[in-house]
Amino acid sequence: GENVEQHPSTLSVQEGDSAVIKCTYSDSASNYFPWYKQELGKGPQLIIDIRSNVGEKKDQRIAVTLNKTAKHFSLHITETQPEDSAVYFCAAHAATGGFKTIFGAGTRLFVKA
Amino acid sequence: KAGVTQTPRYLIKTRGQQVTLSCSPISGHRSVSWYQQTPGQGLQFLFEYFSETQRNKGNFPGRFSGRQFSNSRSEMNVSTLELGDSALYLCASRAGGGEGGELFFGEGSRLTVL
Repeated sequence: GENVEQHPSTLSVQEGDSAVIKCTYSDSASNYFPWYKQELGKGPQLIIDIRSNVGEKKDQRIAVTLNKTAKHFSLHITETQPEDSAVYFCAAHAATGGFKTIFGAGTRLFVKA
Repeated sequence: KAGVTQTPRYLIKTRGQQVTLSCSPISGHRSVSWYQQTPGQGLQFLFEYFSETQRNKGNFPGRFSGRQFSNSRSEMNVSTLELGDSALYLCASRAGGGEGGELFFGEGSRLTVL
């Protein structure tokens, strides 16, 4: 079945450095790739998303890249700040086979001040 | 606009019991999805409902069931609880019923099975 793999599971960076989280997906019919941030005690919240007809999207310090051929997509956070510390989830959505969004296992990001 | 509301927020059950969790989506949202979150496993898809119809189901045993009402509110039920069912159960609503789109999550119902 559909699967999304996410790496690394834990990432620790110094404030001001960049952080990169990588994901791969198995279902070639996937056409929508969101990234969610989950803070302690809260539900995940969308931070950026990309559709399959776009290779890159940027929103201030956050960017996402998509390689459909390799079925890879990545989240890039530049100039990290302590408030970026959270768990990040990548996900893939395909309309075929039903309407469901499949999530990766998550990356716990620590930004050290 | 009120967000997604899940009740109860916390509950403790014993093995063999059953539990019902409730989710009220954002007003106007007709799609509701349920996820199970456990440490190291991420968010595991349980099921998705749209206009009272279950459109997809994840790889969970038949003890996990759900339904959606005409006002889009949804419930999920777990029968014959097992220790491994201890988890955070998240509900998410979405405005449209088509391809992709932002999921709006509630804060979850944390279930502990003793």
